[in-house]
Amino acid sequence: DTAVSQTPKYLVTQMGNDKSIKCEQNLGHDTMYWYKQDSKKFLKIMFSYNNKELIINETVPNRFSPKSPDKAHLNLHINSLELGDSAVYFCASRAGPQQYFGPGTRLTVT
Amino acid sequence: DQQVKQNSPSLSVQEGRISILNCDYTNSMFDYFLWYKKYPAEGPTFLISISSIKDKNEDGRFTVFLNKSAKHLSLHIVPSQPGDSAVYFCAAHFQGAQKLVFGQGTRLTINP
Repeated sequence: DTAVSQTPKYLVTQMGNDKSIKCEQNLGHDTMYWYKQDSKKFLKIMFSYNNKELIINETVPNRFSPKSPDKAHLNLHINSLELGDSAVYFCASRAGPQQYFGPGTRLTVT
Repeated sequence: DQQVKQNSPSLSVQEGRISILNCDYTNSMFDYFLWYKKYPAEGPTFLISISSIKDKNEDGRFTVFLNKSAKHLSLHIVPSQPGDSAVYFCAAHFQGAQKLVFGQGTRLTINP
């Protein structure tokens, strides 16, 4: 039974397009996150939502817009995709200091 | 400004021996430190953690040591097994901020 799931796993698209990545957790956690792992393999936090409310926004371009329809879902919509957006995006949920990660979505912008 | 650093991008250890992965941090406000393990094409999975008020935590083959005065922690794996080959991330938790700051990872390879 998957705890944190993301769709799609792979996404290839052209510059200028708009795309969404979906995340769902069945752990009953209140807090969810989006991370970006860039080409240098750093895992950097982008956003965090607690019970549908945005609590962390780490100076991410406003082309990125997270949306949380309920506390089990946190989606990421990206407008006007750029080459530099190519990365692996991870969703996570939190219990205490520990976070549980999804399998990642590899986004390639051509 | 990188607050959590793993200065060894890779480490190669013989099966059965001890693997030691190191992590340095700069911010004294971190209250928990965590180690995550990551296989290719998968998300990071939690391995072990330590509170900033402790200096050691052990779980089976995995032990984490924290030296607050040096702002340094290490993960010991003994004995190392082939399945331990993965990328290991050190992460630090900000007290009250509900977020983790990650190091850049160390790729551990266990050789038979």
